[in-house]
Amino acid sequence: QQKVQQSPESLSVPEGGMASLNCTSSDRNFQYFWWYRQHSGEGPKALMSIFSDGDKKEGRFTAHLNKASLHVSLHIRDSQPSDSALYFCAAPGDNYAQGLTFGLGTRVSVFP
Amino acid sequence: NAGVIQTPRHKVTGKGQEATLWCEPISGHSAVFWYRQTIVQGLEFLTYFRNQAPIDDSGMPKERFSAQMPNQSHSTLKIQSTQPQDSAVYLCASSLFGQSSYEQYFGPGTRLTVL
Repeated sequence: QQKVQQSPESLSVPEGGMASLNCTSSDRNFQYFWWYRQHSGEGPKALMSIFSDGDKKEGRFTAHLNKASLHVSLHIRDSQPSDSALYFCAAPGDNYAQGLTFGLGTRVSVFP
Repeated sequence: NAGVIQTPRHKVTGKGQEATLWCEPISGHSAVFWYRQTIVQGLEFLTYFRNQAPIDDSGMPKERFSAQMPNQSHSTLKIQSTQPQDSAVYLCASSLFGQSSYEQYFGPGTRLTVL
C-alpha cells in the first residue's frame, strides 16, 4: 500500500479555472509535505513545502495542510496551459535524513 | 547554474549487460539522492549520500544495484546483469543539506531500456 495516496489520478481544467489536488498519508510520521511538478521529459521540480496547519500561498498555488487528518491539498488558481503536468505529493521518511516518499501523482491537463 | 546533470539521457542495454548511470550534483550541495520512476510504482527512493558518504540505501535492490560517490562532483549508479524489470527512468537529485526539509533539485533523468 502506498504510504502517500493522491487523488484524483487525472484532472482536466479549463484555462483560467481552478485545479484542486488531494493527498493523504497513512503514516503519522509524515508531519510535513512537499508538492512537486513534473513536465514531460523533465525531472520533478519543487513547487512548495508546507509544515504548519492551515494555508500557504505562493503565487497562484495554495497548499492546505491538516495534520490531524494527515491531509494536504494543492489548489491552482487561474490555471495556465503551462500548468499541464504531473503533480506529486511527497513526504519525508521515518526521519529527516532520508529520501522522500512520493505519491503516484495527479496528471493535470489545462485545456483552452 | 546548469542544475543537476545526468548522463546519458537514454541508455539501451541487452538483458544481462551492465549499465552505469552518472550524476553531477549542483555545486555546493552536500546531499545526493537517487530515485527510480516507473508508471506502475511511481517515484521510488533508492539511495542517498551526504558529503559523499552513503547514508541510506534502504530503497536499493539488494542484488545487482550499487551506488558510489567518489568525489563531490559526481555519483554513479551501477546495475549489473540488467533485467527487463530494471527498465525505468533513473533520477538523481541534490540538495543543500541532507534533511528532507530542504528542496531537492532533480536532474532530467536517464531512461534505461533493457531489451
